[in-house]
Amino acid sequence: DIQMTQSPSSVSASIGDRVTITCRASQSISSSLNWYQHKPGKAPRLLIYAAAILYTGVPSRFSGGGSGTEFTLTITSLQPEDFATYYCQQTSSAPLSFGPGTKVDI
Amino acid sequence: EMQLVESGGGLVQPGGSLRLSCAASGFTFDDYAMHWVRQAPGKGLEWVSSINWQGSYADYADSVKGRFTISRDNSRNSLYLQMHSLKPDDTALYFCVKDGESGPRYYYMDVWGIGTRITVSS
Repeated sequence: DIQMTQSPSSVSASIGDRVTITCRASQSISSSLNWYQHKPGKAPRLLIYAAAILYTGVPSRFSGGGSGTEFTLTITSLQPEDFATYYCQQTSSAPLSFGPGTKVDI
Repeated sequence: EMQLVESGGGLVQPGGSLRLSCAASGFTFDDYAMHWVRQAPGKGLEWVSSINWQGSYADYADSVKGRFTISRDNSRNSLYLQMHSLKPDDTALYFCVKDGESGPRYYYMDVWGIGTRITVSS
């Protein structure tokens, strides 16, 4: 099974900051890596798929990169609506797995 | 507008059974694999199960294998999760999720329901 880790587990940031979250897979997953944003009481929202493709309607301040075992999600110029928990997920092979999450707060 | 609406959650005793349903609309249901994802109170997202577009192949998390069964009825645009031998650890908000591409594997999860809550407690 493929294990996913994320760092940091939480980050305190301010409006306008640049935030980078790292996700690592326990073995190579090529580019089968997705990023989601989750706010309390709401459904998770897809941000990035296939490691670097911005999903429809997602602001361009979000970007993804990496391949193999190391990936990043970057938010440039953090906005008030970006405070949330972010999860990476691998879909290279079942069992599919999410990272433990990174909480971005003020 | 693509939409997923879950139902069937509630309070159940340990060892009990429950069947979740998910009604899909706004897209060609039988073109896409479907998934169940859950979130226990205070915890992160956990993948539970996935099924291919035909309903001929499914995958399960080790934590539910042998107890949960995913199925779909493409004629009714519906996804199901039959749960048996429920444990307190199964207490969570369960999301029905659509895969983002039609194809032979799983790709990404682009449409999520709002979830249905299951509480396993005596």
